[in-house]
Amino acid sequence: DAGVTQSPTHLIKTRGQQVTLRCSPKSGHDTVSWYQQALGQGPQFIFQYYEEEERQRGNFPDRFSGHQFPNYSSELNVNALLLGDSALYLCASSSRQGSYGYTFGSGTRLTVV
Amino acid sequence: GQQVMQIPQYQHVQEGEDFTTYCNSSTTLSNIQWYKQRPGGHPVFLIQLVKSGEVKKQKRLTFQFGEAKKNSSLHITATQTTDVGTYFCAGPSSASKIIFGSGTRLSIRP
Repeated sequence: DAGVTQSPTHLIKTRGQQVTLRCSPKSGHDTVSWYQQALGQGPQFIFQYYEEEERQRGNFPDRFSGHQFPNYSSELNVNALLLGDSALYLCASSSRQGSYGYTFGSGTRLTVV
Repeated sequence: GQQVMQIPQYQHVQEGEDFTTYCNSSTTLSNIQWYKQRPGGHPVFLIQLVKSGEVKKQKRLTFQFGEAKKNSSLHITATQTTDVGTYFCAGPSSASKIIFGSGTRLSIRP
């Protein structure tokens, strides 16, 4: 049990569609970061949410947006899907105060066809 | 922008042999973290190093943080099949952003 819950596990979408991925952080964690991991690559930082605000953003277009709720859970939205968006999307939670490593969820495998 | 690079990209060893992966950052890091990702799995946090020249051990794994806090290494002694996976180093580029290296994939011949 990773402590971080992501849903759905797998998703197949058509090019141009929109998708929402969900993440519940580990108990006691207040910060959520989203990463995109292409096959054979390291995780690429999308953005981080803390106190319901986007704190930092990686090199991803505005098609990628997110939200954090008062219970610290988070959503990642991707609009106008491209074939290149196919990847494993990882949610990582952490404690702002602790800053001692991330706990990752099992990820959502998104396939765009 | 900041880059974190790892070498080698792949390492294939005989079970029982040692393994080392190296991590280099283009900028000085406040800390370095190491993660392991099993095939088909997600990254799992192994350790965080903070001090210049720090060395930490976890059973057969030895982690080092360079004196200049720009490089790090992970050494596994006498590899076992359970060590198979990809090892990532990661460092903060800001308070809110951690950058991962490209990883070293370890495979083992039984």
